Amino acid sequence: EIVLAQSPATLSLSPGERATLSCRVSQSISNYLAWYQQKPGQAPRLLIYDASNRATGVPARFSGGGSGTDFTLTISSLEPEDFAVYYCQQRSSWPLTFGGGTELVIK
Amino acid sequence: EVQLVESGGGLVQPGGSLRLSCAVSGFTLSDYWMTWVRQTPRKGLEWVASVKQDGSAKYYVDSVKGRFTISRDNPNNSVYLQLNSLKPEDTAVYYCARAFTAAGNFDFWGQGTLVTVSS
Repeated sequence: EIVLAQSPATLSLSPGERATLSCRVSQSISNYLAWYQQKPGQAPRLLIYDASNRATGVPARFSGGGSGTDFTLTISSLEPEDFAVYYCQQRSSWPLTFGGGTELVIK
Repeated sequence: EVQLVESGGGLVQPGGSLRLSCAVSGFTLSDYWMTWVRQTPRKGLEWVASVKQDGSAKYYVDSVKGRFTISRDNPNNSVYLQLNSLKPEDTAVYYCARAFTAAGNFDFWGQGTLVTVSS
């Protein structure tokens, strides 16, 4: 099973600041990584697929990068609605797995 | 408008069974892999099972193999998850999700249905 480790567990930032979230994978998965955003009481929302492609309707301030075992999600300038929990997920091999999440909180 | 609506959750005793349903609309179900994902406060998001467009391939997380069965009825726009031999650790919110690529990239999700396994 491929294990995804997200860091930090909690990230405290202010609106307007830049956020960088990390997802490290236990073995190489090429670019088969997605990022999701989840707000309380809501289902996850796909932000980034295949490491660097923004999903439909996702603002340009969200970007993804990396390949192999190290991936990042960057939010260039935080908006109030961006404070949420973010998960990475790999689709390189079964079983599909998610990271434990990074909670982005307002400082 | 793409919609996925889960139903069938509830309270069940350990060892019991439930059948979850996911009614979809706004897209052609037979064009997509479909998936069930569950979430608990302790374990976060956990992929449970996926089924190919025509039902010819199914995959499960090890912890549910032999107990859960994913299926689909394309003409009736529905996806199902049969949960048997339920355990307390199966307690979770269960989401149905559409995958726009094989095995992952879940672009639309339902609102979730809560399954509680307790005596």
